[in-house]
Amino acid sequence: NAGVTQTPKFQVLKTGQSMTLQCAQDMNHEYMSWYRQDPGMGLRLIHYSVGAGITDQGEVPNGYNVSRSTTEDFPLRLLSAAPSQTSVYFCASSLTGVQPQHFGDGTRLSIL
Amino acid sequence: KQEVTQIPAALSVPEGENLVLNCSFTDSAIYNLQWFRQDPGKGLTSLLLIQSSQREQTSGRLNASLDKSSGRSTLYIAASQPGDSATYLCAVKAGKLIFGQGTTLQVKP
Repeated sequence: NAGVTQTPKFQVLKTGQSMTLQCAQDMNHEYMSWYRQDPGMGLRLIHYSVGAGITDQGEVPNGYNVSRSTTEDFPLRLLSAAPSQTSVYFCASSLTGVQPQHFGDGTRLSIL
Repeated sequence: KQEVTQIPAALSVPEGENLVLNCSFTDSAIYNLQWFRQDPGKGLTSLLLIQSSQREQTSGRLNASLDKSSGRSTLYIAASQPGDSATYLCAVKAGKLIFGQGTTLQVKP
C-alpha cells in the first residue's frame, strides 16, 4: 500500500529553470492538494483539486501550475524557478475534502 | 481570515509525563480540526480528526478535544515516551485547510 508518492525527493535548480514535481496516490482519493512548508511560515496551500479535470488556487499559487488528468496523479509545475521557491513541497490526498488528509514524504527543492 | 496558533513552539518533558498541546483558531466556522505528527525530514501523519459536531476523539494514548465556541483544541498525550518526540501540527478545515506552525516536542528518557 504505497499511499501518496512524491518524486523526486531532492532537487537543485538554477534560477529560470522549469521542472515538474510528481505526486501519485493509489487510494482512489478525489481530493488532492499541494503545500509548501517554510520555516516560520508553516504549511501553505498552493493548489488543490477536487477531482479529475478540476483544479483551483490556494493561498500562494503564483509561479506554479497544476493539472489533474487522472484521479491518481497531480503534478506541480514550476514555470521559471526563483530563489523564493526554495522550500519543501508536500502533496496530500483525501477521500473527500473533509476526510483525513494523507501526506507524501515531500520534495526538498533548492533554487540557486 | 482564519488564523491558527500553537503555543508553545517547543516543549521538553521527561519520559512518563502527561502533557497537553494547545491549538487556537480565530474563526469558529470550521468543518473539522485535524492533529498531525511530523518527524524530521518526513511528511505529516494524521493522528486524529474531530468533526465540528464532536467534542473529542481518542486514539490510544492520544485524546484531542475541540471547543468551537472558544476557538480552542487540545491534544493530550498520556504517559509520554521518547518515541513521541516530533513536531505536532493542528489544522482547521474551513474551505481550505489552515495549519498552525506546530509544537516541537522532545521527550527525554
